[in-house]
Formats: sequence, structure tokens, C-alpha cells
Amino acid sequence: QVQLVESGGGVVQPGRSLRLSCAASGFSFVGYGFHWVRQAPGKGLEWVAVISYDGKNKNYEVSVKGRFTISRDNSQKTVYLEMNNLGLGDTAVYYCTKDLNQWQPIRGNALNLWGHGTRVTVSS
Amino acid sequence: SVLTQPPSVSGAPGQRVTISCTGSSSNIGAGYDVHWYQQLPGTAPKLLIYGNNNRPSGVPDRFRGSKSGTSASLAITGLQAEDEADYYCQSYDSSLSGSRVLFGGGTKLTVL
Repeated sequence: QVQLVESGGGVVQPGRSLRLSCAASGFSFVGYGFHWVRQAPGKGLEWVAVISYDGKNKNYEVSVKGRFTISRDNSQKTVYLEMNNLGLGDTAVYYCTKDLNQWQPIRGNALNLWGHGTRVTVSS
Repeated sequence: SVLTQPPSVSGAPGQRVTISCTGSSSNIGAGYDVHWYQQLPGTAPKLLIYGNNNRPSGVPDRFRGSKSGTSASLAITGLQAEDEADYYCQSYDSSLSGSRVLFGGGTKLTVL
């Protein structure tokens, strides 16, 4: 079954860290870029981070740059989002999603497969 | 949002509605593709249109995308109750301050 399954969300205090995971199955993991997109309660979609198909290139939304790190493990077919120094504004459902086409540079590619999301709540 | 969408649109069953997505010279106007997503209540987004005007397999041809200049549009014809959802445009922005993926603020479609 072609799917992305996120995990690792939860309730965390401000200033703490959390690592999200995104396990891929049912398709060739290698060759695809992956993104994390979040959605705060009652709000729209916000792009967070991207990692290129070869893992060599990464990019982040300004508000998370320096705090969040995206990575991938091809052997485990998993993408990660390490989130440090979390703030109240990071509260959201975090979706993992993949590029439509393989071997594409980071350039705003369409995102054709989305996980169900994992909820992150930052609260004291 | 850098990509501007109307907060809401509505239409009766069978009617046609359009959702606009207005950008600028650093994103849509720079030639970057626009993609559209449909998000039904309580679910993850679903790719609806890619590369400005292409439909993934399984998406009805009632959904049409277009792009011109610094804007793009999603047209939905023959509205159905099941089309009631939030719709988002997506593109890419590149300027001296950096590059990033962009989403529009989203448009809530109500089928009357």
C-alpha cells in the first residue's frame, strides 16, 4: 500500500524538543524529495521544510530555520523532522508529503502523497 | 500569505465557481508552476491540479486549472455537494532573501 505514516507528535513544553518521523511504504523511496507541511488549528497550510531526493539540499521556512532539521534515511525509508526550542506558534498538525516526480531539484514541485498527519501541541 | 486567495466562495449545485490565486513576479510571475489541493474536513490535503493545468488520475475534469501572468485560477464546474472543502494553491518563490515553497491562505468552498 502506497502511504506515508507520520509519528512522534505529542504535547511538549515550550523550549523543548521533539522528533517527528515519516515512514514510507509501497513505492520507491529513493529519488523523491520530501516535505513537511503544518496546519495550525483552524488555519491554512504552511510549508515547513524540504529535503531533496539525494539529501544534499534542504530548505526551511524562515520561522523554523535554525531550530528545525529535516533529514532522511534511505535504508529505513524514513524522513525525520527534528524540532528544537519549540514555541507556542509551532502547535499544529504536521504532514509529511512527497514530490510528484522523481529526481527533481527543489523548485516547488507538486505534492502527490500525504500522510494523515501527527499533532504537535506546545503548551506549558 | 504571499499567494492571495479569497477566504470563501460559494455556489449552488450544478453551478460554476472559480478560485483565484494572486502572486507576484518572484513566484507565479517568475514562471514557477502552480498546484492546487483539496482538503476535505478532517482529512489530509489531496493534489487536485499540478503543473498549472494537469489533473492527476482520478480527478474529474470538472476541475480545471489555469495560469496567466502573476495569477492562477481553479475553476470547478457542475458543483456537487462533495466539492465542499478548503482549496489551496501552491507555488515557489525565489528572491534575494531566499527561496521557499508557498501555499495560498486557502479558500473555503460552500455548496449552497
